Order: sequence, then structure tokens, then C-alpha cells
Amino acid sequence: SQQGEEDPQALSIQEGENATMNCSYKTSINNLQWYRQNSGRGLVHLILIRSNEREKHSGRLRVTLDTSKKSSSLLITASRAADTASYFCATDASRTGANNLFFGTGTRLTVIP
Amino acid sequence: GAGVSQSPRYKVAKRGQDVALRCDPISGHVSLFWYQQALGQGPEFLTYFQNEAQLDKSGLPSDRFFAERPEGSVSTLKIQRTQQEDSAVYLCASSLRDMQYFGPGTRLTVL
Repeated sequence: SQQGEEDPQALSIQEGENATMNCSYKTSINNLQWYRQNSGRGLVHLILIRSNEREKHSGRLRVTLDTSKKSSSLLITASRAADTASYFCATDASRTGANNLFFGTGTRLTVIP
Repeated sequence: GAGVSQSPRYKVAKRGQDVALRCDPISGHVSLFWYQQALGQGPEFLTYFQNEAQLDKSGLPSDRFFAERPEGSVSTLKIQRTQQEDSAVYLCASSLRDMQYFGPGTRLTVL
């Protein structure tokens, strides 16, 4: 079973628009991470936000975390065709320091040129 | 520097065959993880090593799955008597601290 769920499952936007993806999870966490996966490729780490942080920026990415609602959002601004990929949130909820991640089901983003 | 590499990239096995999947982590990374990703799903945790010690194998779906990292570097995931439900992409990741670096994965197809 997976810890998180992304919403929406699929998102299609025009190039230049913003894309927002949401993630909900079930247990308390150490941190939450967002990954991108292009079709048939490995996962690329985008951003990590710790449980005591509320917002983080990296280039065109903005991540928010609301631990009271057990939810996070990823905003990609000024989207490009190259942003087309699946996006996963992953939570580190380890109590043993193992840092294994629990992934959501992903949001499939399509950016139309 | 070089990232995480996995081999083979693709493997086709007949049901009942044994397979071995290899992971070369980033040099110096203490932690190594194996995940299984079914089609259209997110990765699911299988097992975790810290150096050569397998500290968590709670995600291994059955006793047909076995992983090792004997010298604390390269790791092998072995699946015995493969079944069709084992078909998936097997991802390896290594880390030094919080961030995990993933390899390209091995796509296993069991016929």
C-alpha cells in the first residue's frame, strides 16, 4: 500500500500556464519529497521539504506543506513542453532512520506546446 | 560524477526462472534502497541496506525475493521462480543523507 495519493491523476495544460499538483498522506513524516519521472526513465529528485517547513522554492518550482492537513502541493510556473512527465510525492516517515520513501500514485502532467 | 547504474536495463524471463538484478550505487553512499514499480503506479519500497547490513526487508513481497550487498557497495536483487505478477520496473536508489538518487531501473517482464 502506498502512503500518499496525488491529485489530479492527470493534468493537461498549455505551455506557459501554471500546473498545480496536490499530495495527501496518512502518517506523520520527517520530510516530503517531490520527484519527476519521464516515460520509461528513472526518478529525478526535484525538491525536499522538511516537516517543520511550510514553503520552499527552487527555480520554477514552489512546494507547500501543511502538516495539520497532511497535504502538500507542487506548483510549476510558466510550464514548458519539457515538463511533461509523471510527478510523485514521497514521504519519509521512518522512525528508524532508514529514510525509506513511500510514494504516491503520481500525477501525469502533459504540457501542450 | 557517475550516478546510480542498474543492469540489465531490460530482462525477459519465463515463468519459473530465477533472475538477478544488479545495482551500482554512487560511490560513498552508505544507504541503498530497492523499490518495485508496477505499470502506472508509484514505486513501492522493497528493502534497505546501510553499508552491508540489510536493516529493513519488510517490503519484500515473498520469500522468493532476496537482496544482498556483501561488500557495502554493489547490490543484487534476486527473484527465484519468477511469476507473472513479478513483472515490474525494479528501481535502485542510493543516498548519503535525506535525498535519494535513483537509477534508471530494470524492466522485468515475466512471460
